[in-house]
Amino acid sequence: NAGVMQNPRHLVRRRGQEARLRCSPMKGHSHVYWYRQLPEEGLKFMVYLQKENIIDESGMPKERFSAEFPKEGPSILRIQQVVRGDSAAYFCASSPPNGGERTEAFFGQGTRLTVV
Amino acid sequence: KNQVEQSPQSLIILEGKNCTLQCNYTVSPFSNLRWYKQDTGRGPVSLTIMTFSENTKSNGRYTATLDADTKQSSLHITASQLSDSASYICVVSARDGTDKLIFGTGTRLQVFP
Repeated sequence: NAGVMQNPRHLVRRRGQEARLRCSPMKGHSHVYWYRQLPEEGLKFMVYLQKENIIDESGMPKERFSAEFPKEGPSILRIQQVVRGDSAAYFCASSPPNGGERTEAFFGQGTRLTVV
Repeated sequence: KNQVEQSPQSLIILEGKNCTLQCNYTVSPFSNLRWYKQDTGRGPVSLTIMTFSENTKSNGRYTATLDADTKQSSLHITASQLSDSASYICVVSARDGTDKLIFGTGTRLQVFP
């Protein structure tokens, strides 16, 4: 059972381009979380998705950022018209459905986005 | 507002020494509290997870405690090793139907020989 897979591991984009970050959750996991980590800072919640639904996007900027988790395929975090301030590590975590109080969330290795 | 605060922000200790990291939270209603270890450039890895009824949990040289009344947790590391150098993150989950994880900003631990 492979862990949470994120790709690419490193992504370089010029200002104004689009960035697409992919997250394949662990097998059987239907909950996906995206977090952003700026250099020397902690992880900040962005969005929580279940299959085909956005449950909580309170941490995601209203403009240029969007996320989806389709019925088939990976979850995608999309950043349009990137700016230098978007440079960060983006982590994805997944957890199984209806896991209860002891539900574990497993993290991927992150995608490091650099905007030049 | 649901928040998780950790202290100290950073800590330097010598190899072989013990240390204790603190976590205070205001998340309500509380579901569980986890400690994660994040090596530089890597994703966080779970160390322990504790529910409301548990007040201590060990994982090798790591021992976590939880006081649900005062909403405090600690992570004690015994006989530190160089490989313990990492960020340690306290994460609390609210029992509000969303299972959203609320992260502290972490304690950066450096272990020197």
